[in-house]
Amino acid sequence: QKEVEQNSGPLSVPEGAIASLNCTYSDRVSQSFFWYRQYSGKSPELIMSIYSNGDKEDGRFTAQLNKASQYVSLLIRDSQPSDSATYLCAVHTGGFKTIFGAGTRLFVKA
Amino acid sequence: GAGVSQSPSNKVTEKGKDVELRCDPISGHTALYWYRQSLGQGLEFLIYFQGNSAPDKSGLPSDRFSAERTGGSVSTLTIQRTQQEDSAVYLCASSLSGYQETQYFGPGTRLLVL
Repeated sequence: QKEVEQNSGPLSVPEGAIASLNCTYSDRVSQSFFWYRQYSGKSPELIMSIYSNGDKEDGRFTAQLNKASQYVSLLIRDSQPSDSATYLCAVHTGGFKTIFGAGTRLFVKA
Repeated sequence: GAGVSQSPSNKVTEKGKDVELRCDPISGHTALYWYRQSLGQGLEFLIYFQGNSAPDKSGLPSDRFSAERTGGSVSTLTIQRTQQEDSAVYLCASSLSGYQETQYFGPGTRLLVL
């Protein structure tokens, strides 16, 4: 079992819709969780971080964490074509190691 | 201030040659990470440096890979006797302290082993 799992996609949504990206992790002691966005040919950049159970909102983005279910998600409201990218879920395990998922490719159709 | 820089941006080498990849982290960041990303894949953790502590080398795929960090700043990743499967983008990231911190990524070095 992979330590951090994501649906590879592609996930295709129409412009203006809500995109829902999901991630599960295996290490129960994981403390912090991150979503990075990576445009093709570019380096990852942080979108959201979340450390506590529940929802965290930042503009059009909402991260949701459920430690009991070992599940973290990212919702993108009012999706725009510029949101088309690969979204990487990252889990910071005990210690300082960060494990990345393989990423979900998102396409937002104009 | 400047972000994370990496050099070279692209490297083409012949199988069996050694290569050195350089990373210059953000000034003041004590944590430094190396990752490898193959085409269409996620990030594979290679090695982590935190201040003067012993590095976490648990992600290095073979003994052909090594890394050092001099003076707590610049890091060099060395791949000896390169193989075609080493072809990938090598990404360096730094963070302020390493614990629950955002990682800031450099532009990467695209390595192609012929």
